[in-house]
Amino acid sequence: GENVEQHPSTLSVQEGDSAVIKCTYSDSASNYFPWYKQELGKGPQLIIDIRSNVGEKKDQRIAVTLNKTAKHFSLHITETQPEDSAVYFCAASTQTGANNLFFGTGTRLTVIP
Amino acid sequence: NAGVTQTPKFRILKIGQSMTLQCTQDMNHNYMYWYRQDPGMGLKLIYYSVGAGITDKGEVPNGYNVSRSTTEDFPLRLELAAPSQTSVYFCASSYSQGAGEQYFGPGTRLTVT
Repeated sequence: GENVEQHPSTLSVQEGDSAVIKCTYSDSASNYFPWYKQELGKGPQLIIDIRSNVGEKKDQRIAVTLNKTAKHFSLHITETQPEDSAVYFCAASTQTGANNLFFGTGTRLTVIP
Repeated sequence: NAGVTQTPKFRILKIGQSMTLQCTQDMNHNYMYWYRQDPGMGLKLIYYSVGAGITDKGEVPNGYNVSRSTTEDFPLRLELAAPSQTSVYFCASSYSQGAGEQYFGPGTRLTVT
């Protein structure tokens, strides 16, 4: 099955700086790569996703890049704010069958005011 | 629209006891999922369902059972609780295979002692 690795496990940045989280995947058939944000005591919430037919997608301060050849994708958050502090998970899916998601182990982002 | 709801929020079980974790969604989604999240780890898929009457195993199904008698409900059953089942359990749903986004409930924190 798919194996998703995520780095770093923890990340601290000063408010206003950028944060980058990286993931690699193993199954070349994966074609859907979402990023979820999990705040304390809550379930994960989708913040951005990318499909394999594009290399980059941006939504305000958040962007995701995908390199299918190298099998890695990254989340970029610019102008970080304290409310960005959370655990971020990457995931991968082949979007076949039941659209099962394979998750990375998470990155705890702390934005220091 | 409540989205995905889970009950209970917290539960402590003794070894060998059984319980059912409830999950309900009001978005008329066909696909539903159960994940467990262990400390410092990503979410692992336990069971999933692509529609009423249809269920299938995920990555870590041992010790669990599910049923899907209606579109809205997807309960998870633990028959003989073991300490290894101490975890946070999340239920999720999505509209269809190609829709991508999975919507997560708030989770149930289960401790088995």
